[in-house]
Amino acid sequence: GESVGLHLPTLSVQEGDNSIINCAYSNSASDYFIWYKQESGKGPQFIIDIRSNMDKRQGQRVTVLLNKTVKHLSLQIAATQPGDSAVYFCAENGSGAGNNRKLIWGLGTSLAVNP
Amino acid sequence: SQTIHQWPATLVQPVGSPLSLECTVEGTSNPNLYWYRQAAGRGLQLLFYSVGIGQISSEVPQNLSASRPQDRQFILSSKKLLLSDSGFYLCAWSVRGIEKLFFGSGTQLSVL
Repeated sequence: GESVGLHLPTLSVQEGDNSIINCAYSNSASDYFIWYKQESGKGPQFIIDIRSNMDKRQGQRVTVLLNKTVKHLSLQIAATQPGDSAVYFCAENGSGAGNNRKLIWGLGTSLAVNP
Repeated sequence: SQTIHQWPATLVQPVGSPLSLECTVEGTSNPNLYWYRQAAGRGLQLLFYSVGIGQISSEVPQNLSASRPQDRQFILSSKKLLLSDSGFYLCAWSVRGIEKLFFGSGTQLSVL
């Protein structure tokens, strides 16, 4: 369901360390998953996505892992930088068909990078 | 390339006043359009989405309404704002049938 009404969890890491942000999704019918980064006062920006026929997908400094057995999604950020400080949202596409399929959003995790 | 424009960036309105937020998309045709609201430090709440001109689906009963007078224009309105309407409003678009969203820069609305 929707993530509204709950406070964001926070992850604090040292600059240069790797970050892992976790997300548990709810709908077994979901076959598409996506991560967004939202900096303060800005709209969410797409980071990376993955279809359910894959377990892992890599981008630039980011990797998304999908475990369908336990309905778990994670975002790994290598060599975390101060510019990575933001709120990170996961989303799944849920059930439904065709053009009516809408994203179901996770709570969001606030990542703080300490210099 | 596709771009999404959302304005104004910041808005302060008295309780009971009307609201009109506008969003336009360039560089694509027949997009799905969305309005989200985000309370401070909270997640994203889908308010409305549209799959075509004049077609609006409401996700949450509330004091707001949406309209899509043109293919790439999406408007969020209220006749009388409430204090609880304060928040960060985000417009987004997607390619028809594709779930990936592209967001605008948002409007911070404060109702006083």
